[in-house]
Amino acid sequence: KAGVTQTPRYLIKTRGQQVTLSCSPISGHRSVSWYQQTPGQGLQFLFEYFSETQRNKGNFPGRFSGRQFSNSRSEMNVSTLELGDSALYLCASSLAYLGGGYNEQFFGPGTRLTVL
Amino acid sequence: KNEVEQSPQNLTAQEGEFITINCSYSVGISALHWLQQHPGGGIVSLFMLSSGKKKHGRLIATINIQEKHSSLHITASHPRDSAVYICAYNTDKLIFGTGTRLQVFP
Repeated sequence: KAGVTQTPRYLIKTRGQQVTLSCSPISGHRSVSWYQQTPGQGLQFLFEYFSETQRNKGNFPGRFSGRQFSNSRSEMNVSTLELGDSALYLCASSLAYLGGGYNEQFFGPGTRLTVL
Repeated sequence: KNEVEQSPQNLTAQEGEFITINCSYSVGISALHWLQQHPGGGIVSLFMLSSGKKKHGRLIATINIQEKHSSLHITASHPRDSAVYICAYNTDKLIFGTGTRLQVFP
């Protein structure tokens, strides 16, 4: 079974631009969650999508948004990029939604975004 | 204050040593995860626990729900175990600890 894939793996943008990252979950998984990892803040939850609906959102500004398609693939978008958005963005997929409890998460390799 | 406290933050060991990493949390949880992150960035799920103890090869994870504490043990450590180990719990989202950076030298 193929694992979680993320594209692109590396991205360089300039301040003010927008970016779209993609995550393809493991086949059959309906939940996709997104995380930001920075040296200063560590890993932080961005949002989760389950069956095309956003179930939960972390404490991030509205510039961060996402969506999920009927095949469970998910995209996240960051508009008006700031220097502080430079980070590793990870997605994870699982069979059920995070609030469902005992639910193993499978992580993708991440997209490293650099904002200049 | 982080809702998940890990200790130690950094750990250096000689090959063959027994390693323990601790994780404490403050709320009732449905599951606790132990994750491994290598320098390339990808994260691998090592264990998911809701009670008791699990073992996979040289890795052992335990959890005490009443005390809100979990430990990850590595027996006979090896240089390839060098990585960052992160504990996380899930409620309606994953809340992560700050990680423990482990370096094992030959």
